[in-house]
Amino acid sequence: EPEVTQTPSHQVTQMGQEVILRCVPISNHLYFYWYRQILGQKVEFLVSFYNNEISEKSEIFDDQFSVERPDGSNFTLKIRSTKLEDSAMYFCASSGTVWNQPQHFGDGTRLSIL
Amino acid sequence: AQSVAQPEDQVNVAEGNPLTVKCTYSVSGNPYLFWYVQYPNRGLQFLLKYITGDNLVKGSYGFEAEFNKSQTSFHLKKPSALVSDSALYFCAVRGDSGNTPLVFGKGTRLSVIA
Repeated sequence: EPEVTQTPSHQVTQMGQEVILRCVPISNHLYFYWYRQILGQKVEFLVSFYNNEISEKSEIFDDQFSVERPDGSNFTLKIRSTKLEDSAMYFCASSGTVWNQPQHFGDGTRLSIL
Repeated sequence: AQSVAQPEDQVNVAEGNPLTVKCTYSVSGNPYLFWYVQYPNRGLQFLLKYITGDNLVKGSYGFEAEFNKSQTSFHLKKPSALVSDSALYFCAVRGDSGNTPLVFGKGTRLSVIA
């Protein structure tokens, strides 16, 4: 069964540094998402992406965050200047050709900011 | 604004007994409802969804959920629990007006005891 894959599985970064989290969505999917889950808390929506542009973003997704689909397969989340509170699991998800189809999640990247 | 409540942090059930994990929601318009399961160090795995049609929906691994519009609930059920069902379960909702974000509950940890 096709999967969403995320790399790296764990990223450790110094505060203030830039990080790029990478995702390969399921190949025929058109809708892409990033979520985060701070340890012990619920999954929070960050951003959705369709047709090469952001379609929705939460208040968490401020100017330090950006997303990109640089080629036909990758979907990246960049955090420009990381803060301690950015430490979390970041999940990428994708869904198919219609927006209300279930979202399929990757296994996440654990981001640790020191 | 959309919201999901999962009133129980933890549900314990004996193997072979029926299980219920509760979920209530609030959304503008018609709800699109989902259940996901998360195993340790893994992403969210889709179990089932309600979009329209029969109020009882069946999903993966013998799980089912009943949509109750008057009570704004979407409880997850299984007739006979397995030890391998032990995991973290998330209820999620989105509205029916375009590509709105998926909003998750805080999760319920299910422990099935042999």
